Amino acid sequence: GQNIDQPTEMTATEGAIVQINCTYQTSGFNGLFWYQQHAGEAPTFLSYNVLDGLEEKGRFSSFLSRSKGYSYLLLKELQMKDSASYLCAVREERGSYIPTFGRGTSLIVHP
Amino acid sequence: GAGVSQSPRYKVAKRGQDVALRCDPISGHVSLFWYQQALGQGPEFLTYFQNEAQLDKSGLPSDRFFAERPEGSVSTLKIQRTQKEDSAVYLCASSLMGAEKLFFGSGTQLSVL
Repeated sequence: GQNIDQPTEMTATEGAIVQINCTYQTSGFNGLFWYQQHAGEAPTFLSYNVLDGLEEKGRFSSFLSRSKGYSYLLLKELQMKDSASYLCAVREERGSYIPTFGRGTSLIVHP
Repeated sequence: GAGVSQSPRYKVAKRGQDVALRCDPISGHVSLFWYQQALGQGPEFLTYFQNEAQLDKSGLPSDRFFAERPEGSVSTLKIQRTQKEDSAVYLCASSLMGAEKLFFGSGTQLSVL
């Protein structure tokens, strides 16, 4: 089984940088996803990491350390529209490789 | 279609009533997933299809939950004799193949009174 831990809530100021951490324990790691979910809407894909290191995509970057069971999502130049829940999901080398989601981090961006 | 479509968007059921939730995946997507999301929580896996074959149903909470995808496209999640604890958002997702990038629908919000 998996244990995925991320902070419940974070607040940040418009224009700032925020880092959302995710730690996990798994017996056979096969990739980590980050999704964004606005209230009442569908989760949308942000990033996928399977190798160690930083993947940058515009204002969003995602980092993975497999040896530490650790990932973070970095959001730069925060905008009000970035207020949402950020879901970390881990895939295991087991069965059908179904992603297991953490409870999500609710990010509130204020002016 | 352009995206994953789910219907109804909202469903209110009386306890004990049967409900059916529909999912229309993106055309050509082989894999289809159902997740349950309680308020303030992350999505919890229910079941997974590859074409019409249900390859994993380990997340279905009880035998009151049943899912099908008879022609490898549209899928239906059926909940029999609904209970209050079934109240949640039911999310459907599809992917081209396997469990890489998932495309989610907006979900069906089920409220059992």
